[in-house]
Amino acid sequence: KAGVTQTPRYLIKTRGQQVTLSCSPISGHRSVSWYQQTPGQGLQFLFEYFSETQRNKGNFPGRFSGRQFSNSRSEMNVSTLELGDSALYLCASSLDNLHGYTFGSGTRLTVV
Amino acid sequence: DQQVKQNSPSLSVQEGRISILNCDYTNSMFDYFLWYKKYPAEGPTFLISISSIKDKNEDGRFTVFLNKSAKHLSLHIVPSQPGDSAVYFCAASALYTGNQFYFGTGTSLTVIP
Repeated sequence: KAGVTQTPRYLIKTRGQQVTLSCSPISGHRSVSWYQQTPGQGLQFLFEYFSETQRNKGNFPGRFSGRQFSNSRSEMNVSTLELGDSALYLCASSLDNLHGYTFGSGTRLTVV
Repeated sequence: DQQVKQNSPSLSVQEGRISILNCDYTNSMFDYFLWYKKYPAEGPTFLISISSIKDKNEDGRFTVFLNKSAKHLSLHIVPSQPGDSAVYFCAASALYTGNQFYFGTGTSLTVIP
């Protein structure tokens, strides 16, 4: 079965711009989570959506937002980009937390 | 505040020997732990998990040990193979965190042929 698909794979944006990342989960998975990975910080939890509702939120500023559609696809938006937002953004979907996540390959965002 | 810590950024092991990757956590409410493996340019892939009601879980060459009193878990890979070279992340969750996992910063394992 198809895995978690993230688009685009790479993105270069200018400071101050906004960006939208997309994630299509595994069919049947209703939970979608987003993580930011930076060197030395590991994976930092951004938020989780379940059935179109944000169920959990990490400790990130309000510039980071997301949403989930009725088909479970999710988008993440970052407004007013800062240089420090340069990172690998990973989306993960799951059936339930007992089976962990299946991650996508990520979107590499570079802010210049 | 890093609730899950992997204090060794890197580890090198000879092929055929045992690899031991360590992970410490601070939150005593964590009751479910996972290990993920990550190759460059790919997302992490689930490797093995353990619930707090167990102290050991095995899956082929991979064994995870959990010491709740020490808030410590370890992943043993025996025998290590060159294809195991990757970054390994441990992650933890608690019932009250729902589907949110806290990840360590990763350990880069290199298996030398």
